[in-house]
Amino acid sequence: QKEVEQNSGPLSVPEGAIASLNCTYSDRVSQSFFWYRQYSGKSPELIMSIYSNGDKEDGRFTAQLNKASQYVSLLIRDSQPSDSATYLCAVNKRESGGGADGLTFGKGTHLIIQP
Amino acid sequence: GAVVSQHPSRVICKSGTSVKIECRSLDFQATTMFWYRQFPKQSLMLMATSNEGSKATYEQGVEKDKFLINHASLTLSTLTVTSAHPEDSSFYICSAYSRSGANVLTFGAGSRLTVL
Repeated sequence: QKEVEQNSGPLSVPEGAIASLNCTYSDRVSQSFFWYRQYSGKSPELIMSIYSNGDKEDGRFTAQLNKASQYVSLLIRDSQPSDSATYLCAVNKRESGGGADGLTFGKGTHLIIQP
Repeated sequence: GAVVSQHPSRVICKSGTSVKIECRSLDFQATTMFWYRQFPKQSLMLMATSNEGSKATYEQGVEKDKFLINHASLTLSTLTVTSAHPEDSSFYICSAYSRSGANVLTFGAGSRLTVL
């Protein structure tokens, strides 16, 4: 079983709509969760981090975490063509504020926002 | 914010030669840096954890004699791909935690290696 799973897509969403990206993880001891955005040929950039169950909002982005279901999601409201990219889900066994472990990444979901 | 600089951004080499990639933390000290590799349409795979002043910790399946990692200072880690072959062609990305960024990993811009 893969440690972090994402639907590779492509996920096509009309401009202005809500894009919903999902991720499941297998290791129950995972403590911190991240969403990265990666444009083709570029390195990942952090979009959101979440450590506690529930929702966390930052601008047009909302991360949702459900540790019991081992599920984390990212919602993008008012989707823009510039949001078209690959979104990587990543987990870490360490709690926030510490640790020096590398992240485990999913394969990423390719998101296309249609103008 | 924390910045990680990676050089070179692109490198093309002949099969059998060695290539060195540098990763620098510009405005913070990084006792630990991570090296990832990404093949086309694949996820980032952790290759090794680079520890300042000590030996790197390699992930299973990564040849330590082929991918030499040196972390001689708190701001510099290098990855040397020795005797490179076409199958080593990939996107190599380094990353580090800044002390001010709680558990947030900052990535370098990546190095695209093409082995002819």
